[in-house]
Amino acid sequence: QVTLKESGPVLVKPTETLTLTCTVSGFSLSNARMGVSWIRQPPGKALEWLAHIFSNDEKSYSTSLKSRLTISKDTSKSQVVLSMTNMDLVDTATYYCARIREAVRQVDYWGQGTLVTVSS
Amino acid sequence: DIQLTQSPSFLSASVGDRVTITCRASHGISGYLAWFQQKPGKAPKLLIYAASTLQSGVPSRFSGSGSGTEFTLTISSLQPEDFATYYCQQLYSNFPWTFGQGTKVEIK
Repeated sequence: QVTLKESGPVLVKPTETLTLTCTVSGFSLSNARMGVSWIRQPPGKALEWLAHIFSNDEKSYSTSLKSRLTISKDTSKSQVVLSMTNMDLVDTATYYCARIREAVRQVDYWGQGTLVTVSS
Repeated sequence: DIQLTQSPSFLSASVGDRVTITCRASHGISGYLAWFQQKPGKAPKLLIYAASTLQSGVPSRFSGSGSGTEFTLTISSLQPEDFATYYCQQLYSNFPWTFGQGTKVEIK
């Protein structure tokens, strides 16, 4: 059974760095052609794709947020980590991680999401 | 970046109606398009990938078509559980991937 679970702080202050962890089970991050993306959704707004780490460790980032984002993975821990620097009030959102079968670009499993609030 | 424009943004329909949502890409994306359904407080659910392939377990009343820059999601006969927000996403090559702005389907 494939599952993804996001974890991290529920509250961060402006200018701080957010670090989120996606812990996966039911598949291996070393599996060829399986990658993980991070997506966020501000309250009442649309989905926004943030970053993806491919099975070959190549990374791709949202153009508008590229300077603030870092994605990495620890295969031994089955974890994908997203860091976002210089957090602002507008970064308040539910953050999701999702698995992608890269060959067919199939976003087949999502985590439940974690709400991060930015407030002083 | 590749921009996706969904239309309409809001749709009011009745149970049993045939519903079509369009997603237009600012550049050609071949068939690298997915459709998701999202209900309040829940993670999105994959309906269609590769433009027209039905995700396992998704009812056959959902279908997708298109290639290049224009894509459609069709619900052949709207059911009560289909009232939700629908998003398209392009996953073309290794470009930054993007979502459409969403289409909310509500009960007429």
